[in-house]
Amino acid sequence: QKEVEQNSGPLSVPEGAIASLNCTYSDRGSQSFFWYRQYSGKSPELIMSIYSNGDKEDGRFTAQLNKASQYVSLLIRDSQPSDSATYLCAVHTNAGKSTFGDGTTLTVKP
Amino acid sequence: DGGITQSPKYLFRKEGQNVTLSCEQNLNHDAMYWYRQDPGQGLRLIYYSQIVNDFQKGDIAEGYSVSREKKESFPLTVTSAQKNPTAFYLCASLNLRGARGTEAFFGQGTRLTVV
Repeated sequence: QKEVEQNSGPLSVPEGAIASLNCTYSDRGSQSFFWYRQYSGKSPELIMSIYSNGDKEDGRFTAQLNKASQYVSLLIRDSQPSDSATYLCAVHTNAGKSTFGDGTTLTVKP
Repeated sequence: DGGITQSPKYLFRKEGQNVTLSCEQNLNHDAMYWYRQDPGQGLRLIYYSQIVNDFQKGDIAEGYSVSREKKESFPLTVTSAQKNPTAFYLCASLNLRGARGTEAFFGQGTRLTVV
């Protein structure tokens, strides 16, 4: 079993729709959770971090965490073509290990 | 401006050679990481370090070595024991919930090719 698993893509949504990206993790000791965006050929960039159960909103992005279910998600509202990228979920343990999922590629069609 | 710098951007290695990838940060972050990314795949953790003079193996450490003699620097050596080293290598630094909030930055990456 992989430590971090993301829903297999690719995911395609029309412009203006909500994109939903999901991630599950296996280590119950994980404390910090991150979503990164990676454009083709570029380095990942951090877009959201979440530490407590519930929702965290930042502009058009909402991260959701459920530690009991070992599940974290990212919602992108009013999706734009510029949101087309690969989204990476990362899980960080108290021991300092930071593990990534394989990513989900999102395409937003105009 | 603070940031994280990797060099070189492109590197070619002959069979049997060791090569060292540089990673330098001026963000004052304690934690630093090395990842490998193969085409169409996610990031796999090679090594990580939480503090100077200490580091831990990640999930794919075989054939790699690191050092952390200074807070700012975390070089990665790809040894001849690494059988399939051609990949995109990414260095990152992390500061959890610091004065400026959570900060995580990646370098621009090094593309290593075995020739």
